[in-house]
Amino acid sequence: AQSVAQPEDQVNVAEGNPLTVKCTYSVSGNPYLFWYVQYPNRGLQFLLKYITGDNLVKGSYGFEAEFNKSQTSFHLKKPSALVSDSALYFCAVRAPNSGNTPLVFGKGTRLSVIA
Amino acid sequence: EAQVTQNPRYLITVTGKKLTVTCSQNMNHEYMSWYRQDPGLGLRQIYYSMNVEVTDKGDVPEGYKVSRKEKRNFPLILESPSPNQTSLYFCASRTSLEQYFGPGTRLTVT
Repeated sequence: AQSVAQPEDQVNVAEGNPLTVKCTYSVSGNPYLFWYVQYPNRGLQFLLKYITGDNLVKGSYGFEAEFNKSQTSFHLKKPSALVSDSALYFCAVRAPNSGNTPLVFGKGTRLSVIA
Repeated sequence: EAQVTQNPRYLITVTGKKLTVTCSQNMNHEYMSWYRQDPGLGLRQIYYSMNVEVTDKGDVPEGYKVSRKEKRNFPLILESPSPNQTSLYFCASRTSLEQYFGPGTRLTVT
């Protein structure tokens, strides 16, 4: 069965500092990996995905994530955090080539960027 | 514009009063699903549908029904809502590579 772990419920970072939101996964085969962001009172917005190819994936709003197969991780990063990045972040995984498998989400990490 | 719409966005109801949350997508996606989001639990899939007239249970289907009579619509039905169904609900549709979410429906059952 697929699973995702986001080990930190909350991450605090000062504005201008680099940020990392951690994600590890478990899935059979090569995974499809995703990051979504949820701003207060809003729906989920897609940030980036890894399907295949380059392990470093670049996404929206200056975010990037690195796929590490040996560590089964897909950490979200940004070189310089903004106060407006404060939100709830979800990592998700899906097994490839299986049409009916769901997108499985982690429990979310709340990022707080302090001015 | 490609989008998933849900209605209503906010709903307060009482225990036992049947309700339906509508979901519609304009991307001709075959796969649609419903999730509920609860603090500390992330998003959990309630039901999904791989095509018209094909639906199946997700991780937390108890107390919910769905139907898929048309490709674009996938309503979520609560026949007899209970307070433990108070939650934020998201409808989604997807291709093999990307999933699109609706804006969410915040349901409160008293």
